[in-house]
Amino acid sequence: KNEVEQSPQNLTAQEGEFITINCSYSVGISALHWLQQHPGGGIVSLFMLSSGKKKHGRLIATINIQEKHSSLHITASHPRDSAVYICAAHAGGTSYGKLTFGQGTILTVHP
Amino acid sequence: DARVTQTPRDKVTEMGQEVTMRCQPILGHNTVFWYRQTMMQGLELLAYFRNRAPLDDSGMPKDRFSAEMPDATLATLKIQPSEPRDSAVYFCASGRIGQGTVYEQYFGPGTRLTVT
Repeated sequence: KNEVEQSPQNLTAQEGEFITINCSYSVGISALHWLQQHPGGGIVSLFMLSSGKKKHGRLIATINIQEKHSSLHITASHPRDSAVYICAAHAGGTSYGKLTFGQGTILTVHP
Repeated sequence: DARVTQTPRDKVTEMGQEVTMRCQPILGHNTVFWYRQTMMQGLELLAYFRNRAPLDDSGMPKDRFSAEMPDATLATLKIQPSEPRDSAVYFCASGRIGQGTVYEQYFGPGTRLTVT
């Protein structure tokens, strides 16, 4: 079992739909990152959170430390949101700074 | 707008050749990471440095890979000799990280390596 698991692996939506991507982790973390990668493109950090909830535009990220679970929500999805979304657990302790990645969720939003 | 830069962006080489990838982290960032991304394995950490000192290179095949930071503005990843299974996109990332403090990591555009 991977230390960081994402679901679903693939997600197709119609423009305007509300989208949720889930991430569960089994390791102790100091923070959790959500990253976005467009086809052929670089990787952009969307959120880094260690508790509660963060919002940026149409994107919302939540984390439940006790349940070791995080979600990324996209409201009013748009075709330009089509990308791979990756969650990454930021290690604590002596491995401070080290990221362990989920396998990614491929999101396709159709017009 | 500060960015992590990587060179080259694309590299095609023959098996057995030496490959050197370079990364310039964002000025003021004290931690530099090397990642590899493949379709099969996704993103994997190869090595990382803090204040130029190597902290963890357990993700690297030691017999052929080496990572160094000759100075604060340059990190290098070398593969010698290269093999077809090394074909991947290699990302460098940098961040400011201290005990008890976590900051975002900023990724470079990646080097797409193809070994034939």
